[in-house]
Amino acid sequence: QQQVKQSPQSLIVQKGGISIINCAYENTAFDYFPWYQQFPGKGPALLIAIRPDVSEKKEGRFTISFNKSAKQFSLHIMDSQPGDSATYFCAASSQTDSSYKLIFGSGTRLLVRP
Amino acid sequence: ETGVTQSPTHLIKTRGQQVTLRCSSQSGHNTVSWYQQALGQGPQFIFQYYREEENGRGNFPPRFSGLQFPNYSSELNVNALELDDSALYLCASSSGTGWQTQYFGPGTRLLVL
Repeated sequence: QQQVKQSPQSLIVQKGGISIINCAYENTAFDYFPWYQQFPGKGPALLIAIRPDVSEKKEGRFTISFNKSAKQFSLHIMDSQPGDSATYFCAASSQTDSSYKLIFGSGTRLLVRP
Repeated sequence: ETGVTQSPTHLIKTRGQQVTLRCSSQSGHNTVSWYQQALGQGPQFIFQYYREEENGRGNFPPRFSGLQFPNYSSELNVNALELDDSALYLCASSSGTGWQTQYFGPGTRLLVL
């Protein structure tokens, strides 16, 4: 019940295209859903996050769409650039857990071709 | 303002040995969380320290232990190393618990032979 399932495992997109990564969860106690970006040799860095009281959040080229009834959320990267090539992780946490530990998906390796 | 730093960057140990990994939290942060990231996988929560006390633990055996110091830096100790402990160990600091952004360090790559 703690699992967050992420797909696809890898994604290749042409420059200027839209990259879409999907995540699903089971634990209805989750109430914070961040997306992290990780470059090789670096730790994950927060990209954008959403709470379940809204269905969409946009920051620049990055948008999270959230479907509470389906227990799914997705990351959309508009106008994808080669510099966006990285591994993306969705995550979830719950305020019922005092540590607010992050439960991560398995990651999506994105390659944006020039 | 300095970010989260970890040392060493890489480490090779043999099965049965013990290892200590270190993390310096970002300035002003009093909470450190440790994660294990196996190759090709997402990070998995090991435990968290808040104001020098353990505040939550993931599904890891007791041979994984930790400390947080008064300056909020932290150590992760692993005893009786096993081959499966080979992974990237990440620490993340935040200014308190709750929905505070966790800022990750670059990690320590541990290889157990």
